[in-house]
Amino acid sequence: NAGVTQTPKFRVLKTGQSMTLLCAQDMNHEYMYWYRQDPGMGLRLIHYSVGEGTTAKGEVPDGYNVSRLKKQNFLLGLESAAPSQTSVYFCASSLLLGLRYNEQFFGPGTRLTVL
Amino acid sequence: AQKVTQAQTEISVVEKEDVTLDCVYETRDTTYYLFWYKQPPSGELVFLIRRNSFDEQNEISGRYSWNFQKSTSSFNFTITASQVVDSAVYFCALTGDNQGGKLIFGQGTELSVKP
Repeated sequence: NAGVTQTPKFRVLKTGQSMTLLCAQDMNHEYMYWYRQDPGMGLRLIHYSVGEGTTAKGEVPDGYNVSRLKKQNFLLGLESAAPSQTSVYFCASSLLLGLRYNEQFFGPGTRLTVL
Repeated sequence: AQKVTQAQTEISVVEKEDVTLDCVYETRDTTYYLFWYKQPPSGELVFLIRRNSFDEQNEISGRYSWNFQKSTSSFNFTITASQVVDSAVYFCALTGDNQGGKLIFGQGTELSVKP
C-alpha cells in the first residue's frame, strides 16, 4: 500500500515550458486535491476533484489545469510555466465516509523551479 | 467565508518545556471539521488529529493534547515535555459540510525545540 505518490519529485523548467505532475493513490479515495506551498503562506488549494471525471477550482487555479480520467490518478498541468509558479506542490486524497469528511493523506511533494 | 489563523509564526522552546500552538477559526457551516498536521524538516505532511464540530470532547494522545473550544472558535494544540523530534511546522486546517471537502489551512507555526 503506497498511499499517495507524486511524480516527479523535482523539476526545473524554463519560462514558457509545459509539464504535467502526476498524482496516484491506491486507497480508493473519492476526493483528490492539488495544493501549492509557498514560504509563509501555508498550503493553498489549486484544484480538486470529488470523483472520477470531475474537477473544480480551488483558491489559486490560474495557470493550471487538471484532469481526473481515472479514480486513482489526478494530473496537474502547467501549460506555460511562469517564475511565479515556483513552489512545492502537494497532492492529497481523502475518503468521504457517511457524508463526513475525513483527513487528507498527502503525497511527498514535488519541488518545481521555473527559471 | 472560512478562515484559519495561526498567530504564532515561530516558537522556540527548550526540550522538556510544554508548548501550546494556537489556532482560531471562522466558519459559517453548522457542521465543520478541524485538523492538525505536522510538517517535519523532511517536508512530508503528517496527519495528527481530526475534530468534528459536534464533538467537543478534548483529546490526549501521549504527549499531545488538543483543546477544542467552540465558544472562542479555537482548537489549540499542546505538546507536553517537548522533544527535539517535535521540531516542525504545524498546520491547523478547517473544512465544513458546505465546502466540498476543501481544506483551508492556517499559515503554520514553526516550532523549534532546542536541546
